[in-house]
Amino acid sequence: AQKITQTQPGMFVQEKEAVTLDCTYDTSDPSYGLFWYKQPSSGEMIFLIYQGSYDQQNATEGRYSLNFQKARKSANLVISASQLGDSAMYFCAMRGENNDMRFGAGTRLTVKP
Amino acid sequence: EPEVTQTPSHQVTQMGQEVILRCVPISNHLYFYWYRQILGQKVEFLVSFYNNEISEKSEIFDDQFSVERPDGSNFTLKIRSTKLEDSAMYFCASSEVRSTTVNYGYTFGSGTRLTVV
Repeated sequence: AQKITQTQPGMFVQEKEAVTLDCTYDTSDPSYGLFWYKQPSSGEMIFLIYQGSYDQQNATEGRYSLNFQKARKSANLVISASQLGDSAMYFCAMRGENNDMRFGAGTRLTVKP
Repeated sequence: EPEVTQTPSHQVTQMGQEVILRCVPISNHLYFYWYRQILGQKVEFLVSFYNNEISEKSEIFDDQFSVERPDGSNFTLKIRSTKLEDSAMYFCASSEVRSTTVNYGYTFGSGTRLTVV
């Protein structure tokens, strides 16, 4: 069975600073994909970044980067230069070989001006 | 950019009534999904659908739920007899392929907020 754990229910960050949102996972699948989604107050799910389990390099997408530590089974999201518009719920998710995408409980990020 | 379209955006229904939530996935996508998010809580997997049949379902997806792709474009979720605890945001998603090693992530619709009174 797969398990996604986000241990930070809420995080605060000062505008223009960097913040790390934690995500750990557990799977026995040899290959899997890790995703981060942003959910603003309007409710839609916005894809941010993807990391494949065989990728040698950490994924980056603009101000988003994924700190992938395979041996520790962690896939933390780093947001650099936080903006007020980054305030939202952030979900870590995983697709395994035989399962469909499963989500963590989410972290509510608040960016302070 | 292609979108997954969900209708209605908000539906209010009385307990015990049947509801049908509608989704139009992206046209060249082959895998379809429904997820549920009770307000402020995690996004929960309900069901996946491929080649006109359910490929996987969660323990939430009991006999009260059914899915259908009636006409090759729409993908529907039916709740036969709604309960108060069915109140949630329901997300439809679609995916081009089923792959873990390539970024074939899901495209989510904007959701239908179901309120059971």
